[in-house]
Amino acid sequence: DQQVKQNSPSLSVQEGRISILNCDYTNSMFDYFLWYKKYPAEGPTFLISISSIKDKNEDGRFTVFLNKSAKHLSLHIVPSQPGDSAVYFCAAMGGGSEKLVFGKGTKLTVNP
Amino acid sequence: NAGVTQTPKFQVLKTGQSMTLQCAQDMNHEYMSWYRQDPGMGLRLIHYSVGAGITDQGEVPNGYNVSRSTTEDFPLRLLSAAPSQTSVYFCASSYWAGPGQPQHFGDGTRLSIL
Repeated sequence: DQQVKQNSPSLSVQEGRISILNCDYTNSMFDYFLWYKKYPAEGPTFLISISSIKDKNEDGRFTVFLNKSAKHLSLHIVPSQPGDSAVYFCAAMGGGSEKLVFGKGTKLTVNP
Repeated sequence: NAGVTQTPKFQVLKTGQSMTLQCAQDMNHEYMSWYRQDPGMGLRLIHYSVGAGITDQGEVPNGYNVSRSTTEDFPLRLLSAAPSQTSVYFCASSYWAGPGQPQHFGDGTRLSIL
């Protein structure tokens, strides 16, 4: 059973607009969430994270929102740029486990 | 500072052959892990290690062995390759396993089993 779900395999937005990538989780023990970005033929790179004691974390154009009651988090990219085109993975860990659980990823395409 | 280095970048094997995927990091990270990425499946944890001499199984450990004799190296062994092991393999490391410690990934090994 998938514990971290990214239900949109792909997303296309126009340059300058907002990109919103969504992630749902089922394990209530998760208390730390991360977003990774991956370009083709490269490894994933860390983008931004959030602890369950917060509901928002911001880093430049990237903001992650966490809704614990809904077990939902989202990544907002404003403004979107063509260089943001990549696959974005949501990941989670918690409950004392040393394992990071990934979603299946969402491919973002930002059109010029 | 090379970060996480994986070798080889590409490999083709025949069914039944064995091989070792190498992973080395120069950041003095205690935690290292191996993932496989398959189309539509995201990244799945194979094995991980919280320090030299300590390893544990992840989500999909069958068919793979690991050992951690040094802090720097964490090789992944395929004992008898099967076509189902065709995948892209990523090694990752972090200072420790826990909140606040994002993992750093290598660029992957693309493995095809014929």
